[in-house]
Amino acid sequence: GAGVSQSPRYKVTKRGQDVALRCDPISGHVSLYWYRQALGQGPEFLTYFNYEAQQDKSGLPNDRFSAERPEGSISTLTIQRTEQRDSAMYRCASSLTGVETQYFGPGTRLLVL
Amino acid sequence: GNSVTQMEGPVTLSEEAFLTINCTYTATGYPSLFWYVQYPGEGLQLLLKATKADDKGSNKGFEATYRKETTSFHLEKGSVQVSDSAVYFCALRSYNTNAGKSTFGDGTTLTVKP
Repeated sequence: GAGVSQSPRYKVTKRGQDVALRCDPISGHVSLYWYRQALGQGPEFLTYFNYEAQQDKSGLPNDRFSAERPEGSISTLTIQRTEQRDSAMYRCASSLTGVETQYFGPGTRLLVL
Repeated sequence: GNSVTQMEGPVTLSEEAFLTINCTYTATGYPSLFWYVQYPGEGLQLLLKATKADDKGSNKGFEATYRKETTSFHLEKGSVQVSDSAVYFCALRSYNTNAGKSTFGDGTTLTVKP
């Protein structure tokens, strides 16, 4: 596609449920990034991949959060046993390489009730 | 660690006014600096960037100069328009420590009134 796409755009879930957020990067982009953005704040790094390899997961807040990119293209961010504090906008970005400009998707707004 | 501090908003200006949004940073190594813009209902878009000291990034009438001596990257525009109303984020990437992640400021909301 022309840009980074994310699905779903909005997700409402109940506390304790698992959610999976999907990111489809720009075709051919090697690097893929996940960020979380709370209301009124800037995006905060979660994790990133080069191809299928997870290079840095230092931003994942706890072990309920995990991410994968098994074929080096689409990535899934999974949050297990969601909590209300997980409510935020989750943003994905991709870049041609690890040092090129990051292009952001529209984000998935997650609301945990 | 890396950090970015932006001037707090919201900022409200009249059309054709001069805009400055301050941004200062703390980083290890030699970061690249960015301004992103988020228009209402849309995602983050890269507005401009500068990759080394004294570089000036520019786009759509906006400019920012990479000042290593003051660790700043202030965003300026000489004459704002209503269509510039958006949230502006300053960000950095420090490639020699971690090529992947960007560090963002908290954003400054700009409203331009006719």
